[in-house]
Amino acid sequence: DAGVIQSPRHEVTEMGQEVTLRCKPISGHDYLFWYRQTMMRGLELLIYFNNNVPIDDSGMPEDRFSAKMPNASFSTLKIQPSEPRDSAVYFCASMLAGGVHNEQFFGPGTRLTVL
Amino acid sequence: ELKVEQNPLFLSMQEGKNYTIYCNYSTTSDRLYWYRQDPGKSLESLFVLLSNGAVKQEGRLMASLDTKARLSTLHITAAVHDLSATYFCAVEPYGGSQGNLIFGKGTKLSVKP
Repeated sequence: DAGVIQSPRHEVTEMGQEVTLRCKPISGHDYLFWYRQTMMRGLELLIYFNNNVPIDDSGMPEDRFSAKMPNASFSTLKIQPSEPRDSAVYFCASMLAGGVHNEQFFGPGTRLTVL
Repeated sequence: ELKVEQNPLFLSMQEGKNYTIYCNYSTTSDRLYWYRQDPGKSLESLFVLLSNGAVKQEGRLMASLDTKARLSTLHITAAVHDLSATYFCAVEPYGGSQGNLIFGKGTKLSVKP
């Protein structure tokens, strides 16, 4: 299995631009999570989906952030318009629930820099 | 507010020494996870602890869980440089949504020769 795939791996953009981050979960997994990691705030859960349905988006910082999961193998996190304070590493993780462990598997992350 | 606190946040060790990282949490939970993150890399699952008294070991790392004390420990035995990384604990609150983990801030471990 290729694991969780994220693209792009690095993104540099200017303030005000739209940014779209992409994630392909592990095949068969029914949960998908989006996290943001910064030095100041650590690892924060932004939103997660179960069977493509958003379950909890209380971690999404502002209306500028939106996430979709149109099917079981693809999700996007969009920031529009982007701001310098959005600079962070964004991780996607997936999980197969119902087993013993409920273990999340993380993707390699997207390092976003907003100038 | 649910809190997961790790200490220390920074740890500099000499090779060959032993040390313990602590993870305290403020809510009832019977699932606790330890992850490792190398610089610039993703998070890698190390241990999943599912019940009170659970103990897991992998190489020089051993993790344990005391649900009554709301405490997990990650013990490092005879540290080697390859263990240098940031270690996170994460808690799944009891009765909460599956997989909704609350992470600690991480412990950055540096093992020096």
